Parts: sequence; C-alpha cells; structure tokens
Amino acid sequence: DTAVSQTPKYLVTQMGNDKSIKCEQNLGHDTMYWYKQDSKKFLKIMFSYNNKELIINETVPNRFSPKSPDKAHLNLHINSLELGDSAVYFCASGPGTSGYNEQFFGPGTRLTVL
Amino acid sequence: GNSVTQMEGPVTLSEEAFLTINCTYTATGYPSLFWYVQYPGEGLQLLLKATKADDKGSNKGFEATYRKETTSFHLEKGSVQVSDSAVYFCALIGYSSASKIIFGSGTRLSIRP
Repeated sequence: DTAVSQTPKYLVTQMGNDKSIKCEQNLGHDTMYWYKQDSKKFLKIMFSYNNKELIINETVPNRFSPKSPDKAHLNLHINSLELGDSAVYFCASGPGTSGYNEQFFGPGTRLTVL
Repeated sequence: GNSVTQMEGPVTLSEEAFLTINCTYTATGYPSLFWYVQYPGEGLQLLLKATKADDKGSNKGFEATYRKETTSFHLEKGSVQVSDSAVYFCALIGYSSASKIIFGSGTRLSIRP
C-alpha cells in the first residue's frame, strides 16, 4: 500500500499553462506539506496544512495555490507556468505539528516547463 | 533563522569503506535532527533521527549522534555497500516551527564495487 501518493509522476507542459498536482495520504495524518526540489537537489518547503488549515506559507509566488479538500488530500495548482517552475515537487505528511515527528514523502512529481 | 550545512559532494568511496558525512546546524532552542536518504528516482525516506542532545539515531548500519556542544549531527557508517549510493540530506525541525523541515543541500554518495 502506498502511504503518500502523487499524480502525475511526470508533467511536461508549455509556459503560460495552468496545471495541478494531486497528493493523497492514507496514514491518517493531520498535516500535509508541499516541497520543491530544484535541479541542484536543494529542497525547500512551500506550504503546510493542518486539518485543512494553512499553517505554513513560505514566500511562494501567488501563482501557486494549495487546496486541501480534506485532511487526506493536498493538491497544488499552478497558474501561468514559468520556466523557473521546472522542478520536482514532493508532497509529504506527518502526524502533527510537533517537531519530534518525521514526515513521510511521496515519490515526487517532475514538472518540466518548456 | 534556522539553517543546516552539510559537506559538499559528491563523495565517492569503495565498497566496505568507512563513511562520514558532516552536518552542522544553527537553531534556537532544541531542534530535532534528521537524516533523510533519496535513492535514484525516488522520494525521500527517513534514515534516522534524534530529538535531544546526546541521542544517537541508528538504522541500516548508519549512525548519527546529536551533539549540542558542537551543533553537529554527522552521519557515519562503518562499511558502505553499493546499495548505499544515494543523496543524503541532513535536516532539522525547530522547536516551535510548526514542523517546518529545514534541509541541508544534500550530499551525493557513490559507492564503487
């Protein structure tokens, strides 16, 4: 059973398009996250939701809009895609907002903007 | 703010060699410390963690000790295998940071047979 799943695994699109990436976790966790990994493998948090409520919003362009329909899902919608958005996006989940708890990561979505 | 610094890669070793990947951190209070591993084409997996000073995390032959006096969490393994080839990330979560992980830049490890 996949604990944290993302779709699609690969996404190739043109500049200016709008696209979405979906994430689902079956671990019963309250908190979900989106991270961006650039071409140099550097990882940075973008957003975090706890029980469908936004708790972390880093300095991400407002073209990126997360949506959490329920605590098992956290989708990422990106408007007006730019070349610099090309990266691997990882979803993760964790049991709460305590710093002692590990986060479980999905397999990633490789986004390529042409 | 909080930050993590880990040694630059890539690191290339022969099988059965001893491995050390250095990691130091800057944080207020008492963060939790983690090592994550990313195998080729996969997502991140937690390798080990330590939540207070002098704790030792261990898994799959890897170890790291939380050293508050030197603000370090170096990863070690006594005898590496080809299957250990991956990118290793040192990370921390600050005491009151709503579980926001701060990652180091990652160290690519390649093991030669």
